[in-house]
Amino acid sequence: GAGVSQSPSNKVTEKGKDVELRCDPISGHTALYWYRQRLGQGLEFLIYFQGNSAPDKSGLPSDRFSAERTGESVSTLTIQRTQQEDSAVYLCASSLTLALNTGELFFGEGSRLTVL
Amino acid sequence: QQQVKQSPQSLIVQKGGISIINCAYENTAFDYFPWYQQFPGKGPALLIAIRPDVSEKKEGRFTISFNKSAKQFSLHIMDSQPGDSATYFCAAGGTYKYIFGTGTRLKVLA
Repeated sequence: GAGVSQSPSNKVTEKGKDVELRCDPISGHTALYWYRQRLGQGLEFLIYFQGNSAPDKSGLPSDRFSAERTGESVSTLTIQRTQQEDSAVYLCASSLTLALNTGELFFGEGSRLTVL
Repeated sequence: QQQVKQSPQSLIVQKGGISIINCAYENTAFDYFPWYQQFPGKGPALLIAIRPDVSEKKEGRFTISFNKSAKQFSLHIMDSQPGDSATYFCAAGGTYKYIFGTGTRLKVLA
């Protein structure tokens, strides 16, 4: 596709349920990132992938959060046993190169998660 | 803890005025300072970026001023227009990760 695609765009779930959020990066982009944006707040780094390897998982808030990526393609962010504090917009971004000081991050429109 | 502090949180400017948003960082290893613009319901998009070897960069109505010794940088929007109304995020980093500021919600009055 022309841009980064995320699905679902909106997800309402009950506390304790598991959710999966999907990201399709721009074709050819080797680096893929997940950020969390709580209402009225900045972008919180969660994890990045170089290819299908995740060298830095330091931003994942808890062991309920996990992510995987298939090759240099689709990535899935999974949140198990969702809590109300997980409610946020989850943004995915991709970059042609891992070196962000030479490349630009292209963001998707996000998946808005609401945990009741 | 690496942080990027951004201010103000919100800003209202008259059409044609100058909008100024400030950021301060802590880590002297940062070597790239982009600004992203986000419209409601959309993902952030790169607006303009600067490296620490220059003190100013201008692209159209948008200018970044960079003060390496003070570890501060700012975005100036000249002749602000209603279409500039959006949330602006500064960031600092390089290599594989940015640290984003908390965002400034700009409203330009017609």
